[in-house]
Amino acid sequence: AQRVTQPEKLLSVFKGAPVELKCNYSYSGSPELFWYVQYSRQRLQLLLRHISRESIKGFTADLNKGETSFHLKKPFAQEEDSAMYYCALHSGNTPLVFGKGTRLSVIA
Amino acid sequence: GAGVSQSPRYKVAKRGQDVALRCDPISGHVSLFWYQQALGQGPEFLTYFQNEAQLDKSGLPSDRFFAERPEGSVSTLKIQRTQQEDSAVYLCASSPAGGWTAASYEQYFGPGTRLTVT
Repeated sequence: AQRVTQPEKLLSVFKGAPVELKCNYSYSGSPELFWYVQYSRQRLQLLLRHISRESIKGFTADLNKGETSFHLKKPFAQEEDSAMYYCALHSGNTPLVFGKGTRLSVIA
Repeated sequence: GAGVSQSPRYKVAKRGQDVALRCDPISGHVSLFWYQQALGQGPEFLTYFQNEAQLDKSGLPSDRFFAERPEGSVSTLKIQRTQQEDSAVYLCASSPAGGWTAASYEQYFGPGTRLTVT
């Protein structure tokens, strides 16, 4: 069965510090991985997807099949990055599987 | 344009009551998903519609849960004889794409309905 693990419930960093939100998955095939973000009092929205190899709001994520990880990184955290972040996995004809989420708090 | 809307935003139900939660997807969107998000958890899939066809309802936790999308636009999630464990935020998402893979690539979420069963 597919599973997504986000080991940290809460991550606090100082403004300007690097950020890494961890995501590990279990799936034997070739998954598609996503990061979703939910800012305070806003709805869940897609941040980035691995297949696009894009950088959104300074965030990047690299799929590491050897370590089955898809960690989200940003070199310099900003206060507006404070939010809930969810890693999600999709494969074949199956629904998105979400992790439990990590709350990022950026301290001024 | 307007995004996905859900109503009501908050619902308090006494145990045993029936509830109906509505989702208005973005106009023209082919795919519609329902998710359940319990406190401290990520969203969990309930059911998937492509137009009016319910292609997957494997995530519905019991036969008390029923969803429909009769005209391929608005969808209703109905929970009969609510139980305390049904307390959660119910999220609806729509996608312009049809099919699992394309729809998973681009989902637009509504604000959710927070259901509290007392």
